[in-house]
Amino acid sequence: KAGVTQTPRYLIKTRGQQVTLSCSPISGHRSVSWYQQTPGQGLQFLFEYFSETQRNKGNFPGRFSGRQFSNSRSEMNVSTLELGDSALYLCASSLDRQGGSPLHFGNGTRLTVT
Amino acid sequence: AQSVTQLGSHVSVSEGALVLLRCNYSSSVPPYLFWYVQYPNQGLQLLLKYTSAATLVKGINGFEAEFKKSETSFHLTKPSAHMSDAAEYFCAVSGQGGSEKLVFGKGTKLTVNP
Repeated sequence: KAGVTQTPRYLIKTRGQQVTLSCSPISGHRSVSWYQQTPGQGLQFLFEYFSETQRNKGNFPGRFSGRQFSNSRSEMNVSTLELGDSALYLCASSLDRQGGSPLHFGNGTRLTVT
Repeated sequence: AQSVTQLGSHVSVSEGALVLLRCNYSSSVPPYLFWYVQYPNQGLQLLLKYTSAATLVKGINGFEAEFKKSETSFHLTKPSAHMSDAAEYFCAVSGQGGSEKLVFGKGTKLTVNP
């Protein structure tokens, strides 16, 4: 089975621009979660989608949004980029929403905001 | 609410020595606990998980972890370190409420010296 695929791997954007990141989960996985990873804050939960509905949301401003499509693929969007948005954005999928279901992570998208 | 504390942001061991990475959790409900490993420029890979079936959990690459409820700990060990174990290790906790929100510790960077 193919793993979680995130595109693009690297992005460089300018402050004020917007960006869209894409995530294709493992085939059959219906839950997709997004995390932001920075050296200072570590791994922070952004949001989780299941069956095209947002089920959980972290403490991020409204500039961060996401969606999930009927084929479980997910996108996240960040508008009006700030320097502090520079981070590794990780997508993870799991089979279902049971608490013990492990997350399978992609290799991430490295976003640099200049 | 769940939380995780990883003691020691950096741990250095010699090749062949015991690896011990510490994790303490806080959870108001019986938790699910996980250890993930992250190699440079990659996403997180699941090492092992605790789901209450057994207190000693064996994972991949010779790692194991023991759940100790009385100490609220879930330390990760490996009897003999290998150079390829050099990476960053994350402990994570989730509740049993059906949420996929994993709460991660800050991570421990393991260095293995020849």
